[in-house]
Amino acid sequence: ETGVTQTPRHLVMGMTNKKSLKCEQHLGHNAMYWYKQSAKKPLELMFVYNFKEQTENNSVPSRFSPECPNSSHLFLHLHTLQPEDSALYLCASSQGVKPRELFFGEGSRLTVL
Amino acid sequence: GENVEQHPSTLSVQEGDSAVIKCTYSDSASNYFPWYKQELGKRPQLIIDIRSNVGEKKDQRIAVTLNKTAKHFSLHITETQPEDSAVYFCAATPEYGNKLVFGAGTILRVKS
Repeated sequence: ETGVTQTPRHLVMGMTNKKSLKCEQHLGHNAMYWYKQSAKKPLELMFVYNFKEQTENNSVPSRFSPECPNSSHLFLHLHTLQPEDSALYLCASSQGVKPRELFFGEGSRLTVL
Repeated sequence: GENVEQHPSTLSVQEGDSAVIKCTYSDSASNYFPWYKQELGKRPQLIIDIRSNVGEKKDQRIAVTLNKTAKHFSLHITETQPEDSAVYFCAATPEYGNKLVFGAGTILRVKS
C-alpha cells in the first residue's frame, strides 16, 4: 500500500457506541492531521501531530479523542457522538513542520444515528 | 485566527472557457496559499500552491495570482475540460505553522 490509507471507509454508529477510525501513512512523513468535512462547509482542522506530539487541538469536543502511537499511525477514538458529528473524516500527512503539501486519505464516512 | 472566504460557491462554464475562483484571507501573517482539487468521491489533491514571495505561478492550464496588499488570491483555469469538473478549495497558513485553514470550496462544472 502506498500513500495514506484510512479504515473503515464507512461507519454507522449509535450515539452510545464507541468506535475508532484508523489512518496509516506510507510516505515517511512526520506530521499527521485529522480534518472534518461536512456538506457546504470548509474543511475543518481538528488535530495536528508533529513527530507523534499533538501540536494543535482546534477546540474539538472531548468526545473525539486522537491517538498517535508513531509517525505512521493516527487514530480517532469516538464516543457518545451526536448526529451533527456525521461527516467525512479525512486524515492527511505532510513532511516537515513548515507548510507543505498535504496528502489526504480517502476518508471515513461517519453516520451517527 | 485565520479566516478564508471563497467565491463563488458554484461555477458553471462551457468547455474551452476560462474559470476563475477567488479567495480572501484575514491574517496578514499568512504566506502559503495552496489550492486543492477534490473530484467526486475522491480525496483532495494539491494542484498548485504559491508563497508570498511571488505574485503569480503557472502550471500548464492552471495559474494562481496573489495580492498580499489586498489579501486575496485567485485560481485561473484556462481552456477548461470536462475532467476539470470538481470541488476546488483554497487555503492559507502562516509560514511558521502547518495549520492550513481552508475556504468553503467551489463546485466547478464544465459543460461539454
